[in-house]
Amino acid sequence: AQRVTQPEKLLSVFKGAPVELKCNYSYSGSPELFWYVQYSRQRLQLLLRHISRESIKGFTADLNKGETSFHLKKPFAQEEDSAMYYCALLPNYGQNFVFGPGTRLSVLP
Amino acid sequence: ETGVTQTPRHLVMGMTNKKSLKCEQHLGHNAMYWYKQSAKKPLELMFVYSLEERVENNSVPSRFSPECPNSSHLFLHLHTLQPEDSALYLCASSQVVSGGANVLTFGAGSRLTVL
Repeated sequence: AQRVTQPEKLLSVFKGAPVELKCNYSYSGSPELFWYVQYSRQRLQLLLRHISRESIKGFTADLNKGETSFHLKKPFAQEEDSAMYYCALLPNYGQNFVFGPGTRLSVLP
Repeated sequence: ETGVTQTPRHLVMGMTNKKSLKCEQHLGHNAMYWYKQSAKKPLELMFVYSLEERVENNSVPSRFSPECPNSSHLFLHLHTLQPEDSALYLCASSQVVSGGANVLTFGAGSRLTVL
């Protein structure tokens, strides 16, 4: 069965510090990986997906198939990055997204 | 109205009531989802409808009954719920292409409280 783990429930960093939100997955095939973000009082929304290879709001994520990880990184955190971050997996040719438990990022001034 | 719209935004019901949650998407997507988001658990997939056919029923109790009359509308009918069913219910839609889904677009959610 597919599974997504995010080991940190809460991550606090100071403004300007680097941030890394960890995500590991278990799936035997080639999944598609996503990061979704939920800012305070806003709906859950896509931040980035691995196939796009984009940098969104300064965040990047690299799929490491050897370590089955898809960690989210940003070199300099901003206060407006404070939110709940969810890593999600979509199995190959699948329709059922599997979400991790989420990590709450708090960027302190 | 654009995106994914959910009504009502808040609902309080007794255990013997019957109510329904409604979701409407204006994105031209062909798949719709119900997720349950509660404080102590990860986002839980409940139901998936693709091309108006239910393709996933993730061991959800029968007191939750989904209905997808067309590709733009999705309902979740609620009957004899339990207090532990109190949660935020999220609707999402996606475009399924060649058997695989694309990015999920979420609604704002319906906050359900069962007394």
